[in-house]
Formats: sequence, structure tokens, C-alpha cells
Amino acid sequence: DAGVTQSPTHLIKTRGQHVTLRCSPISGHKSVSWYQQVLGQGPQFIFQYYEKEERGRGNFPDRFSARQFPNYSSELNVNALLLGDSALYLCASSLYPDRVSEAFFGQGTRLTVV
Amino acid sequence: GESVGLHLPTLSVQEGDNSIINCAYSNSASDYFIWYKQESGKGPQFIIDIRSNMDKRQGQRVTVLLNKTVKHLSLQIAATQPGDSAVYFCAENPPFPGNTPLVFGKGTRLSVIA
Repeated sequence: DAGVTQSPTHLIKTRGQHVTLRCSPISGHKSVSWYQQVLGQGPQFIFQYYEKEERGRGNFPDRFSARQFPNYSSELNVNALLLGDSALYLCASSLYPDRVSEAFFGQGTRLTVV
Repeated sequence: GESVGLHLPTLSVQEGDNSIINCAYSNSASDYFIWYKQESGKGPQFIIDIRSNMDKRQGQRVTVLLNKTVKHLSLQIAATQPGDSAVYFCAENPPFPGNTPLVFGKGTRLSVIA
């Protein structure tokens, strides 16, 4: 059974551009969360989705948005990229949103903004 | 999570010795605490969790201790092996109706000397 898969694995973008990151959860998992991990720090929560509805949002600007599709996969979109958006973006999936200890993380998308 | 510098605290241990990694958490009402291991280029991997109504939990070669009085969590790894070299994060699950499923700590880099 495949784990959480994220694409692309690496990405280089220019300041001001837009980026879309994708996440496919473990089969059967209905909840997806997104985290940003800046080099040398712990992951920081961005969004959580469950059954296509936003369940939670972290302290990130409106340039960050996400959605979840009927097959439970998810996209994270970031507009007007800044240098400070360079980070590893992690997706985690779980059966339900409150089953945090049962969440599995993907390998992440490494975004570099130049 | 808190904003920290680029340099993670580092713990170096000899192969075969026991390792103790410490973490301070912020919310006294958090219900769940989880330890993650993150290897280079990978997402966080679940190690062990503990509920707030417990003070100790053991797994295979790992033990987590919870001291709610001082809001302190520790991870003990017995007979540390080279494969244990990684960054270790603690995370807490703040209580509902908070919208953040996991708040990660600062991380500790464990280096095992063969």
C-alpha cells in the first residue's frame, strides 16, 4: 500500500510567481493537513481538510490557499511567492482529523524561491 | 511553533549508549504528545505517543516520559544505533476547539558515533 505521495519533490520558482503543490493521501484516509518546515525548524501547520471542507487554518497569509478533492487528494497553492516561502512543504494524512497520532507524513516538496 | 534560529540543538552519543532527548511544550491543556523522527530528505516519522493522563509509555527501545507539572517531555532511546541518527521533534495536540492539530517543538539532532 502506497504511503502519502507528494509532487513535485523539488521545485524552483521566482519571486512573485505562483506554485501548486499536490498530495495524495493513504488510501482510505479522509483528512489531509499541510505543514511548512523552514530549514532548521519544526513543521508549522498551514491547513487541515476533511471531507473537502477546511477544518483548520494556521497563521499564514491569504497568499496561501488549499483545497481537497472528492478523491481526498489535496492541493496547496501559494501566490506572489516571497523568498521566505522557501521551505519543505509537508502533507500528512489520517483517517479522521482528530486522529493526529495516526497521521502519516509524505516526503515533502522542497520549494526554493529565488 | 516558536521561531528558532537555524542551528538545532545537537546530541552526540556513542553507539550502544542510551540517549535522552528533551522537549518543553507550551499548552498545559494539550491531550496528546507525539515524538517524531525525521531523517534527511524525508518527512517526520511517528515514533511513540503518550496521552496527558499518563506519565510513561514504553515502546520498542524507546520510552517517553511526561511531566505535566513542568510541561516537559522526554524521549529515551536504549542502545542507540547508527540508524537512530536523525532530527527528533516532539509535538503536542492542543485541545479542541483550537484549529491546529499539531504544534511542533524545536527539534534535536541526534548524532550516533560508531
